[in-house]
Amino acid sequence: ETGVTQSPTHLIKTRGQQVTLRCSSQSGHNTVSWYQQALGQGPQFIFQYYREEENGRGNFPPRFSGLQFPNYSSELNVNALELDDSALYLCASSRDYNSPLHFGNGTRLTVT
Amino acid sequence: AQSVTQLDSQVPVFEEAPVELRCNYSSSVSVYLFWYVQYPNQGLQLLLKYLSGSTLVKGINGFEAEFNKSQTSFHLRKPSVHISDTAEYFCAVSGAGTYKYIFGTGTRLKVLA
Repeated sequence: ETGVTQSPTHLIKTRGQQVTLRCSSQSGHNTVSWYQQALGQGPQFIFQYYREEENGRGNFPPRFSGLQFPNYSSELNVNALELDDSALYLCASSRDYNSPLHFGNGTRLTVT
Repeated sequence: AQSVTQLDSQVPVFEEAPVELRCNYSSSVSVYLFWYVQYPNQGLQLLLKYLSGSTLVKGINGFEAEFNKSQTSFHLRKPSVHISDTAEYFCAVSGAGTYKYIFGTGTRLKVLA
């Protein structure tokens, strides 16, 4: 079975721009969670999508938004990028909202 | 709400020596506990998890952890480490049944030859 895949692997954006990160969940998984990992820190929960609906959100501003598609893949959108948004963004999928997470390798976003 | 404290930011240890990476948590509800490993420029790989049942949990690569409810701890141990174990290790907690993880700040394990 294929694991969680994220694209792109690396991205450089300018402050104020908008970015879209993509995630394909593992086969058979209907739940996707997004995490932000700043350099030298542990991952922080951004939000979770279960069957195309947001199912919980961490302490992130509204300019962080997401979407889950009928095939359970997902996007993370960040508007009005700030320098502090530079981080590794991790996507994780699970069989349902009540199952352990399987992480992808992440997208490294650099905001200059 | 839950929180996790990893008491050591870095742990150097010689090859074939035992190691313990410490993790303490706080929560007002029942919890699930996890240990993940992260190699450079990679995502997180699950080492082991505690959901319920036996408090001694065995994981991959020879790692194990013990859930201690009275001390609110979930320390990770390995009896004999290898150079290839050099990585960042993260402890995580979630409320039982939620799977919205709260991660610690990580412990960098450096295995020395």
